[in-house]
Amino acid sequence: AQTVTQSQPEMSVQEAETVTLSCTYDTSESDYYLFWYKQPPSRQMILVIRQEAYKQQNATENRFSVNFQKAAKSFSLKISDSQLGDAAMYFCALNTGGSQGNLIFGKGTKLSVKP
Amino acid sequence: ETGVTQTPRHLVMGMTNKKSLKCEQHLGHNAMYWYKQSAKKPLELMFVYSLEERVENNSVPSRFSPECPNSSHLFLHLHTLQPEDSALYLCASSQAPRASGRYNEQFFGPGTRLTVL
Repeated sequence: AQTVTQSQPEMSVQEAETVTLSCTYDTSESDYYLFWYKQPPSRQMILVIRQEAYKQQNATENRFSVNFQKAAKSFSLKISDSQLGDAAMYFCALNTGGSQGNLIFGKGTKLSVKP
Repeated sequence: ETGVTQTPRHLVMGMTNKKSLKCEQHLGHNAMYWYKQSAKKPLELMFVYSLEERVENNSVPSRFSPECPNSSHLFLHLHTLQPEDSALYLCASSQAPRASGRYNEQFFGPGTRLTVL
């Protein structure tokens, strides 16, 4: 079975500081994709960053970067220089492709940003 | 309209009502999804349509009935729901997994907040 676990229900960070959100996953597939999605209070789910498992280099998108540890099946998200607009639910997701193509989501981490 | 749109944004219905949720994507995708988001639970995939054919039905109760008339539109027909069906229902679209051959980045709509009384 494929699972995604986010062990931090809530996190808080001071504005301009750095925060890391944790995610672990389990799959027997060797080729898969990992995502971090952001869901602000307005509810629109937005893709933040993605990582392809066959790529060893960690993905980076501006202030967002990941630490992908394939052997440990760990995929953490680091947000640098946190901004008030970063406050949201963050979901880690796993996709192994195939005809279904569905995403397996974690329960999410609620991030608060303090001014 | 751009991206993925959903209507209505909010819906309150009684257990005996029949209603429908609508999703429309303007991204040229050919796969569409319905997810259920309940409090304290991961998003649950309900239905997947790829190339207008249903390819996934995750043991969803028959009181939920999907319809995909074309690659741009997806409906979720609701009848005789239960209070535990109250949730945020999210629609998403992507390129069909087979067509892309690689990952399928999913784009989400804003959701319909459903309350069943």
